[in-house]
Amino acid sequence: EVQLVESGGGLVQPGGSLRLSCAASGFTFTTYWMHWVRQVPGKGLVWVSRINPDGSDTNYADFVRGRFTISRENAKNTVYLQMNSLRIEDTAVYYCVRRGDYGGVLDPWGRGTLVTVSS
Amino acid sequence: DIVLTQSPGPLSLSPGETATLSCRASQSIRNNYLAWYQQRPGQAPRLLIYDASSRATGIPDRFSGSGSGTDFTLTISRLEPEDFAVYFCQHYVTSTWTFGQGTKVEIK
Repeated sequence: EVQLVESGGGLVQPGGSLRLSCAASGFTFTTYWMHWVRQVPGKGLVWVSRINPDGSDTNYADFVRGRFTISRENAKNTVYLQMNSLRIEDTAVYYCVRRGDYGGVLDPWGRGTLVTVSS
Repeated sequence: DIVLTQSPGPLSLSPGETATLSCRASQSIRNNYLAWYQQRPGQAPRLLIYDASSRATGIPDRFSGSGSGTDFTLTISRLEPEDFAVYFCQHYVTSTWTFGQGTKVEIK
């Protein structure tokens, strides 16, 4: 069974940093693109970033480019999201998602980790 | 960026009825690279439909997708209690993904 388990969320002050982790299991991690998607509770889904299987190619949404960095450690089947210069509007549940087996779909999703940026 | 607009607003229906959800794109979606996801309260989204009309593994056949170009539809026949949830469309045409704002299907 494919599992994605996020960790690292919590409360941080504006301007602070946080690193999210996503531990993957149940599939060949080294062959899949991995993504981060966020959701303000009760609101819509917003794609944040993605990384290719060997970590050499990354993409970011405009609103996080230069502040967030996605990376992966294939030996540990883990993907990370380093979040710097956090803003109040970055408050959201962050989901780790695998690229699906059908084109660019996102499937499956982790349960998410809540990041709260507040003073 | 491609903007996806979903309608209607909250959809109030009874179990056993049919839900028809719309997703309109601001420009044509190449190869019908459009997906639908379901999100139940307190849960992560799950993939229902890909390539506009193909059901993902394990998805009941009461869920169907259709459409092409800029107009897409998710139809849920014979609504079951577990189908009352929020549904999002998403394109995967470019290297930055966008989602629709979601449509809530609620119990009438």
